[in-house]
Amino acid sequence: GQQVMQIPQYQHVQEGEDFTTYCNSSTTLSNIQWYKQRPGGHPVFLIQLVKSGEVKKQKRLTFQFGEAKKNSSLHITATQTTDVGTYFCAGPDSGGSNYKLTFGKGTLLTVNP
Amino acid sequence: AAGVIQSPRHLIKEKRETATLKCYPIPRHDTVYWYQQGPGQDPQFLISFYEKMQSDKGSIPDRFSAQQFSDYHSELNMSSLELGDSALYFCASSRMGEQFFGPGTRLTVL
Repeated sequence: GQQVMQIPQYQHVQEGEDFTTYCNSSTTLSNIQWYKQRPGGHPVFLIQLVKSGEVKKQKRLTFQFGEAKKNSSLHITATQTTDVGTYFCAGPDSGGSNYKLTFGKGTLLTVNP
Repeated sequence: AAGVIQSPRHLIKEKRETATLKCYPIPRHDTVYWYQQGPGQDPQFLISFYEKMQSDKGSIPDRFSAQQFSDYHSELNMSSLELGDSALYFCASSRMGEQFFGPGTRLTVL
């Protein structure tokens, strides 16, 4: 079955430093989604990337989708304590609107103030 | 804006008991998903429903069953509970791909 690998598993940074998490799928994806889960919370949708080579920005967050649509990255510039949480990438198993997501293992980001 | 509602938020059961988790999706969302998340783990897909019909099935034990009702709410029924079933159970709903997660039900099996 489809596998979604994510690294690193943990990342601890000083506030103000940058952070990047990488996601790699064993199969070509129709799209990739990113979620953030705060400690004790539920996953919250951040963004969906669809096009090959797509780059999207949300304030200090930059999301990229690889040319082959098998990998993706999330980069946070100048981290803040509010960025703490686990960041998951997730890819659908099949196309269409009623598909299931396979999540990566997530990257737990902690920020030292 | 309306969010996904799950009940109960916390549930404590004994081994071999049964549990029923409820999910109320966002209005007009046509797909409901159930996930299980163990401590420090990623959400594991259990089952999904599209327009009240089961659409996909993941690693859901035979002891578990789920359905979606005419009002679009969904229930996850869990029988013969085991210690290993202790986890967070999330329901999510979607309309155009992106999934909106509920706050989850924390199930503890003693």
